[in-house]
Amino acid sequence: GDSVTQMEGPVTLSEEAFLTINCTYTATGYPSLFWYVQYPGEGLQLLLKATKADDKGSNKGFEATYRKETTSFHLEKGSVQVSDSAVYFCALSAGTGGYNKLIFGAGTRLAVHP
Amino acid sequence: EAGVTQFPSHSVIEKGQTVTLRCDPISGHDNLYWYRRVMGKEIKFLLHFVKESKQDESGMPNNRFLAERTGGTYSTLKVQPAELEDSGVYFCASSLQGFSADTQYFGPGTRLTVL
Repeated sequence: GDSVTQMEGPVTLSEEAFLTINCTYTATGYPSLFWYVQYPGEGLQLLLKATKADDKGSNKGFEATYRKETTSFHLEKGSVQVSDSAVYFCALSAGTGGYNKLIFGAGTRLAVHP
Repeated sequence: EAGVTQFPSHSVIEKGQTVTLRCDPISGHDNLYWYRRVMGKEIKFLLHFVKESKQDESGMPNNRFLAERTGGTYSTLKVQPAELEDSGVYFCASSLQGFSADTQYFGPGTRLTVL
């Protein structure tokens, strides 16, 4: 069945470091791909998405490119800030009959230190 | 515009008791989803409503879980009787269209602890 695998955390970085969180997926068909973020004490927020191959989603300095050939959707940011400390979830949209549900990875906790 | 709201934010109950979680979706969103995250693992799909109808309930773990969405507005998820393994965070989400590229907007979650 469809699944998402993302790198285990926690990831600990110093402020202004480069961030990569790996995400790969297995899916039949052509899913849409998402990154959600959960800040401490809050709910899930959509960070970015891509709906077809080679699309690049971007938001708040984060980017991810939908790579069909490698079935990947890695999250990157050039310079992280302390405020980026959160749990990041990669997800794909899967389903039949036109309606879809999200399938999530296990989440990667990011801690950024000054 | 108000986001997805969930009530309560936390619930602590004894094994064998009943708990009812509530979700109010974004106004105008026909699609409502329930998910849960158990013990820091991945967030897993439970079910999907389109208006008041259950479109997909393939993720419901067993018949101790009952979800309803009367009138196609808010939804409730009842667990009866609760077991220890039901502890976790229950998220509700809503979306406008329900299709692949459609964004699901999540509520803050209800943290359920079963003792």
